[in-house]
Amino acid sequence: QKEVEQNSGPLSVPEGAIASLNCTYSDRGSQSFFWYRQYSGKSPELIMSIYSNGDKEDGRFTAQLNKASQYVSLLIRDSQPSDSATYLCAVAISGYSTLTFGKGTMLLVSP
Amino acid sequence: DVKVTQSSRYLVKRTGEKVFLECVQDMDHENMFWYRQDPGLGLRLIYFSYDVKMKEKGDIPEGYSVSREKKERFSLILESASTNQTSMYLCASSFGRDEQYFGPGTRLTVT
Repeated sequence: QKEVEQNSGPLSVPEGAIASLNCTYSDRGSQSFFWYRQYSGKSPELIMSIYSNGDKEDGRFTAQLNKASQYVSLLIRDSQPSDSATYLCAVAISGYSTLTFGKGTMLLVSP
Repeated sequence: DVKVTQSSRYLVKRTGEKVFLECVQDMDHENMFWYRQDPGLGLRLIYFSYDVKMKEKGDIPEGYSVSREKKERFSLILESASTNQTSMYLCASSFGRDEQYFGPGTRLTVT
């Protein structure tokens, strides 16, 4: 059973804080990992991809991958109210030609 | 930039009508996908296509069919719309098992 799990939230952080979003996956053969941001009523937008263990930074966003522990996380530094959205984790699971999505974590950043 | 477009943002149809949702991508992606998204259920894959005239069932294909006559275009067909098909429909495309890019979505209401 291919599974990608996320805490549904909401995760509430004050403006300027670090938001930490987590995702676990069940298949050890998974090789590609993605984070999407989805504003209410809009479609998912790709913000980060990560393929190897460790950290990958892009501006205020850092994706972290730990294949041994089967988790991937997204850190958002200096959180802004405009970061308030649902964040979806997606995994390319071995043997499948599609991505498996988690149900998403809602992030609320208060001014 | 990858661009994925969908034929309508909002659509209202009556029960029993045949409904066509169209998706076009401009990046020569081989893979195209149709999802529906409902509150609490996340993204659910309906059908996908990895080549012209090729299609594969996703997790919830019942009540839907698809057509891919040209590489850039992927259509979702509701043969006889029902109220339980009221949802947000999202099209996506990708190259290989890489990240997927989403269109803006079609919010379909069946009355």
